[in-house]
Amino acid sequence: GQSLEQPSEVTAVEGAIVQINCTYQTSGFYGLSWYQQHDGGAPTFLSYNALDGLEETGRFSSFLSRSDSYGYLLLQELQMKDSASYFCAVEDRTNAGKSTFGDGTTLTVKP
Amino acid sequence: IAGITQAPTSQILAAGRRMTLRCTQDMRHNAMYWYRQDLGLGLRLIHYSNTAGTTGKGEVPDGYSVSRANTDDFPLTLASAVPSQTSVYFCASSGGLWNGYTFGSGTRLTVV
Repeated sequence: GQSLEQPSEVTAVEGAIVQINCTYQTSGFYGLSWYQQHDGGAPTFLSYNALDGLEETGRFSSFLSRSDSYGYLLLQELQMKDSASYFCAVEDRTNAGKSTFGDGTTLTVKP
Repeated sequence: IAGITQAPTSQILAAGRRMTLRCTQDMRHNAMYWYRQDLGLGLRLIHYSNTAGTTGKGEVPDGYSVSRANTDDFPLTLASAVPSQTSVYFCASSGGLWNGYTFGSGTRLTVV
């Protein structure tokens, strides 16, 4: 099976940079995704990494190290609207196309 | 607007009753999924369908059934609801891993 670990809560101030880590255990890693979910809303897709390295999309970047079974989501120039839960999700070859989600990290951005 | 429509938005259901949660997508995605999300936790996969006519069991399938008669619709049925099925249910579809999942707005179900 698969398992993922991410911090339950992170707090940062507006304008700062925050990194949300995710470590995973899986038998046949395929890729790591990140999702954002605002309170009461649906998860929305942010990024997907299948190869080692950094993927940048505007203020958000996602990093993957397959050898360390580790990834992170980097949020820059934090805004109040970034307060939300962030989930990492892993796909593996034995479960191709189906994502297993972590329990999420609640990010609180303070003024 | 392309996306996923779920109905109802919320429902209070008496234990023992049968209920079907509806999910329709207009993106022509082959793969569709049902997840449940309990308070403060991540999403757990209930059932999935890789293409019309096929379905499979996820991590927590007991007490639920699905069907996939066509590409667009993927209903989830609770045969005889129990309080532990109180949760928020999200339907999702995928056109490929690189584009992630598109989620519906969810159905908040309370079983009393």
